[in-house]
Amino acid sequence: EADIYQTPRYLVIGTGKKITLECSQTMGHDKMYWYQQDPGMELHLIHYSYGVNSTEKGDLSSESTVSRIRTEHFPLTLESARPSHTSQYLCASSEGVTGLIANYGYTFGSGTRLTVV
Amino acid sequence: KQEVTQIPAALSVPEGENLVLNCSFTDSAIYNLQWFRQDPGKGLTSLLLIQSSQREQTSGRLNASLDKSSGRSTLYIAASQPGDSATYLCAVREGNQGGKLIFGQGTELSVKP
Repeated sequence: EADIYQTPRYLVIGTGKKITLECSQTMGHDKMYWYQQDPGMELHLIHYSYGVNSTEKGDLSSESTVSRIRTEHFPLTLESARPSHTSQYLCASSEGVTGLIANYGYTFGSGTRLTVV
Repeated sequence: KQEVTQIPAALSVPEGENLVLNCSFTDSAIYNLQWFRQDPGKGLTSLLLIQSSQREQTSGRLNASLDKSSGRSTLYIAASQPGDSATYLCAVREGNQGGKLIFGQGTELSVKP
């Protein structure tokens, strides 16, 4: 069963619109991530959070922004969508690393496929 | 900088064949390694997680091994089925940056009936 939820599943939107992609997890994980994946291409980390009020940019530059006001919620926002933002956006969460041991892997949501026309 | 490479990029086999997917990584200082499956246009499904102190993990027809010192992992799929057709992704979890996951490019597997 899915413990991490992304909405919407598909979104087609016009250029210049503001959009927010939702991601929520029910596992109490402190770490959350956003990845971007173009068709047939690798996943690239664009944002991550290690806890409430903590957000960092990932390895791939992105015009999107994120917020982490609650542990379970990590929304991604595009202030002005452009065709270049067309992609699949995948949200993930994981348990933190304590000491030298990371006991848990990542759990991914089903993704949001965004098309900007 | 950690780099993850998967070979082959694509693989087509007849149903029933046993197969091996390969993954290599450049920095052996990892906390764990995870294999995922991705169906076209979908999210990622976790298959197996191997901690850095472990050598292998098994789940049903899947067996993943880890040789951290040589920077290699393999995913073995026994008695392949058409339903196994998907892209298989290997990812290592870094330690020094607090657990970011670094992905390989994936192996696209097609199992023909």
